[in-house]
Amino acid sequence: DQQVKQNSPSLSVQEGRISILNCDYTNSMFDYFLWYKKYPAEGPTFLISISSIKDKNEDGRFTVFLNKSAKHLSLHIVPSQPGDSAVYFCAATSYGQNFVFGPGTRLSVLP
Amino acid sequence: DGGITQSPKYLFRKEGQNVTLSCEQNLNHDAMYWYRQDPGQGLRLIYYSQIVNDFQKGDIAEGYSVSREKKESFPLTVTSAQKNPTAFYLCASTLRGQGIDSPLHFGNGTRLTVT
Repeated sequence: DQQVKQNSPSLSVQEGRISILNCDYTNSMFDYFLWYKKYPAEGPTFLISISSIKDKNEDGRFTVFLNKSAKHLSLHIVPSQPGDSAVYFCAATSYGQNFVFGPGTRLSVLP
Repeated sequence: DGGITQSPKYLFRKEGQNVTLSCEQNLNHDAMYWYRQDPGQGLRLIYYSQIVNDFQKGDIAEGYSVSREKKESFPLTVTSAQKNPTAFYLCASTLRGQGIDSPLHFGNGTRLTVT
């Protein structure tokens, strides 16, 4: 039973445009949500997170939106750059317990 | 610089042999985790430890064992009982505790190949 879902395995975006990556979850006890970026043969790199008491968090080109009623979060990257091409994982946790990861979305930013 | 060190980067073993993957962190984090990634798949939790001398099984603990004798170290042993041990193994750590929102920090992984 997948508690964290990323329904788009891949996404292609033109350089300079907005990339929107989506994530859905089923466990209403999750209270902290994170996005990671991963290159092949490397560990994931933390990008941005959001607590369940907020609905938006912004850090430079990256913004995460949380819709608790829909159990949905999204990562917006504006503007997208070729260096953003990677696999993006959504993760969630409750009360600092184990972190559950989605299957990932491969983002390709085309020059 | 603080961080998580996994060694070695690449590891080759014959089927039937146990192998231990090293994970050391100098971030003074309480909790440590082991994940496994298979090609085209997400991260699956093997074991995690929130305090020294205590650890819990994750979703795919069968065929693996861990120890947490020191706060800084969380080695993972892949035993001969693990049916499909070839994978990319990731160690991570974080602060824990109520009221602390702290992300997982990952090492650079160990790719284990068993033939």
